Amino acid sequence: DQQVKQNSPSLSVQEGRISILNCDYTNSMFDYFLWYKKYPAEGPTFLISISSIKDKNEDGRFTVFLNKSAKHLSLHIVPSQPGDSAVYFCAASADHNTDKLIFGTGTRLQVFP
Amino acid sequence: SAVISQKPSRDICQRGTSLTIQCQVDSQVTMMFWYRQQPGQSLTLIATANQGSEATYESGFVIDKFPISRPNLTFSTLTVSNMSPEDSSIYLCSVGPSSGNTIYFGEGSWLTVV
Repeated sequence: DQQVKQNSPSLSVQEGRISILNCDYTNSMFDYFLWYKKYPAEGPTFLISISSIKDKNEDGRFTVFLNKSAKHLSLHIVPSQPGDSAVYFCAASADHNTDKLIFGTGTRLQVFP
Repeated sequence: SAVISQKPSRDICQRGTSLTIQCQVDSQVTMMFWYRQQPGQSLTLIATANQGSEATYESGFVIDKFPISRPNLTFSTLTVSNMSPEDSSIYLCSVGPSSGNTIYFGEGSWLTVV
């Protein structure tokens, strides 16, 4: 049972445009969400997070939106840059005391010139 | 952020052998975790490494196959025992404070079993 889903395995965006990566979850107990970026042969790098008490969090070019009623979150990257090309994972946590993360399957973003 | 070092970064292993992966953190951390990412798959939590006690394993993972040590607050090891080609994966150590703060990952250890 995949509790965190990223239904788009890949996304291709032109440089300068907006990239929107989506993530859906099924467990209503999740209360903390994170996005990670991963390059091949490297560990995931933390990008941005959001608590369930918020519906938006912004950090530079990255904004995460959370829609609790729809159990959906999205990551917006504006403007997209070629260096953003990587695999993006969303992750969720249901217990702040353990920080145990459940990951989605990832979306491969390619930003072309 | 914590600096996390993993060894080895990459190895090719013979079927039936065991390999121990080390994870060293540059500061004391409460929680340490081991994840696996099989080719083309997402990251899956193997276990939580508890300091001074046995690790807590997730469903589908057992101590005999993935023994874990956590002798102190900055170090942990994961052993992949009696390896088969299905164990070919990236194994990742991660650390995090409690209360939902950011969780950081090491660079990963890429194991290929032949």
